[in-house]
Amino acid sequence: DSGVTQTPKHLITATGQRVTLRCSPRSGDLSVYWYQQSLDQGLQFLIQYYNGEERAKGNILERFSAQQFPDLHSELNLSSLELGDSALYFCASSIHSTGELFFGEGSRLTVL
Amino acid sequence: SQQGEEDPQALSIQEGENATMNCSYKTSINNLQWYRQNSGRGLVHLILIRSNEREKHSGRLRVTLDTSKKSSSLLITASRAADTASYFCATDENNDMRFGAGTRLTVKP
Repeated sequence: DSGVTQTPKHLITATGQRVTLRCSPRSGDLSVYWYQQSLDQGLQFLIQYYNGEERAKGNILERFSAQQFPDLHSELNLSSLELGDSALYFCASSIHSTGELFFGEGSRLTVL
Repeated sequence: SQQGEEDPQALSIQEGENATMNCSYKTSINNLQWYRQNSGRGLVHLILIRSNEREKHSGRLRVTLDTSKKSSSLLITASRAADTASYFCATDENNDMRFGAGTRLTVKP
């Protein structure tokens, strides 16, 4: 158990819909990362937050947004969903900005 | 965009053999990390090597780093069927953590 909690574990929705994925980092970790992993592919970096502030942006689509709340949990919002958005979405946390990452078990999104 | 690039993409070996995976990156780093992922699960951290280190060991794992060639290798000795997984390197080239496409290792019993 990494200590990082992601909900929901599975989500099935239709094209055009909007979903919110939630991440609770390990206790004491200030940094939260979001990654997207399509079937059997590598991890695409989406966005990073550090202590409530956006710190780095990767290949995050304009239809996607995220935030980190004062209690350090984070949410990833995906809107106007397309079939190609079907993927595993991982959250990871770390104490420092670029230290060892602790991963949640992911949220599997299926867009039909 | 991804940063570290692993090679080979896939590797199949017999139990007891050694497995070597390589990772290359583009610019300068402070640290490079290796992670393991069992199918569909979250990644698990294996080892971190800093830019001023050349080699690091952890159990059956040996990691080397050559900053002049901008490359790293992960050696798993005396492999076991349970080592079957995907292995990823991650670098902090952009002051964030980005991963390569991974090497899928299959260890046959």
